[in-house]
Amino acid sequence: DVKVTQSSRYLVKRTGEKVFLECVQDMDHENMFWYRQDPGLGLRLIYFSYDVKMKEKGDIPEGYSVSREKKERFSLILESASTNQTSMYLCASRGRLAGGHHGELFFGEGSRLTVL
Amino acid sequence: GENVEQHPSTLSVQEGDSAVIKCTYSDSASNYFPWYKQELGKRPQLIIDIRSNVGEKKDQRIAVTLNKTAKHFSLHITETQPEDSAVYFCAARAPSGGYNKLIFGAGTRLAVHP
Repeated sequence: DVKVTQSSRYLVKRTGEKVFLECVQDMDHENMFWYRQDPGLGLRLIYFSYDVKMKEKGDIPEGYSVSREKKERFSLILESASTNQTSMYLCASRGRLAGGHHGELFFGEGSRLTVL
Repeated sequence: GENVEQHPSTLSVQEGDSAVIKCTYSDSASNYFPWYKQELGKRPQLIIDIRSNVGEKKDQRIAVTLNKTAKHFSLHITETQPEDSAVYFCAARAPSGGYNKLIFGAGTRLAVHP
């Protein structure tokens, strides 16, 4: 059973603080993703990574950066948190798309961040 | 880029009734359409998906239909049960800049009343 673990379920930070959200997966998946979930807006892709040290911008990358130093770990970084970054953050992983495999996303439990 | 619209945003049904959620997508190159269910306080999980070369797929009480010409796809839940209450997200995947990105709809909150 695939397991995607996010380090913190709930965080409260102050405006201007640096925030690290950590995600670890145990299925040797090549691809990892960070989504942001807001009511009425669905799941919006922030960044994704298809290999170690590789990263690509998603649809809303502004104000965020990511790090993938090891295959199993994908970190989301808020360099200077702002109140409009208060949200639920979901990490996901996916295996390689090959041989008819469609690529199910396996999500973590989510990290609810509040920026005061 | 791809854009996915989902309707309705909320849906309330009586137990035993059917529920239908509809999504439209913009990129005709999209080739994969999954549906995720997110129960309250839990992670989204895949419940059914369909590829662009198939018009319909069923799995017990749930089915998905795809109309490529109109660029819309729908989730059908029959004989709804209280445990079907959740937020449902549709998504579409299209090649974009050499990568395959999954774009989600805004979600539908389904409430099934006993």
